Amino acid sequence: AQKVTQAQTEISVVEKEDVTLDCVYETRDTTYYLFWYKQPPSGELVFLIRRNSFDEQNEISGRYSWNFQKSTSSFNFTITASQVVDSAVYFCALKSMKGNKLVFGAGTILRVKS
Amino acid sequence: DAGVTQSPTHLIKTRGQQVTLRCSPKSGHDTVSWYQQALGQGPQFIFQYYEEEERQRGNFPDRFSGHQFPNYSSELNVNALLLGDSALYLCASSLVSTGGAGEQYFGPGTRLTVT
Repeated sequence: AQKVTQAQTEISVVEKEDVTLDCVYETRDTTYYLFWYKQPPSGELVFLIRRNSFDEQNEISGRYSWNFQKSTSSFNFTITASQVVDSAVYFCALKSMKGNKLVFGAGTILRVKS
Repeated sequence: DAGVTQSPTHLIKTRGQQVTLRCSPKSGHDTVSWYQQALGQGPQFIFQYYEEEERQRGNFPDRFSGHQFPNYSSELNVNALLLGDSALYLCASSLVSTGGAGEQYFGPGTRLTVT
């Protein structure tokens, strides 16, 4: 069975602070994809990043960066210099390469205060 | 380039009634997935349609059924509504040729309230 755990229910930061969102996953698959989605108050899930299980290279994209560690089954996401517009619910998700469904965590509410 | 659209935006139904939700995929996409998101939780996979057939189904009862039309649009039907069916229903589209790597693009959702 696949499972995604986001232990942080809610995080509050002040604008310009860096913030890291944690994600731990469980899967028996050897090949899979990991995703981060953002859900603003409008409700629409917005795709942010995707990593595959055989590429542990960590990258930076603008203010976003991620740390994928297969040995600890973690896929953490960092926002640098947070802005008020980053306030949203962030979901980590897992997808088998053979399957069709995304398995989501419970989400982390991020509040960025000015 | 039109994104994923869903209708209606909001819906209020009474227990025992039936409801139909609609989804049009992003232009060029051929696969539609449906998710249920209860308040304060992450989305849960209901099922996925491709070539007008159900490809995979999550842990949802038979009261939840779907359909995909030749133009790739899709409907989600829920019969005998329960209070617990109150949720945000999200539709996502993707392109089957991209395989597992293809990200799913989500629509704005339909907020269903069952009273």
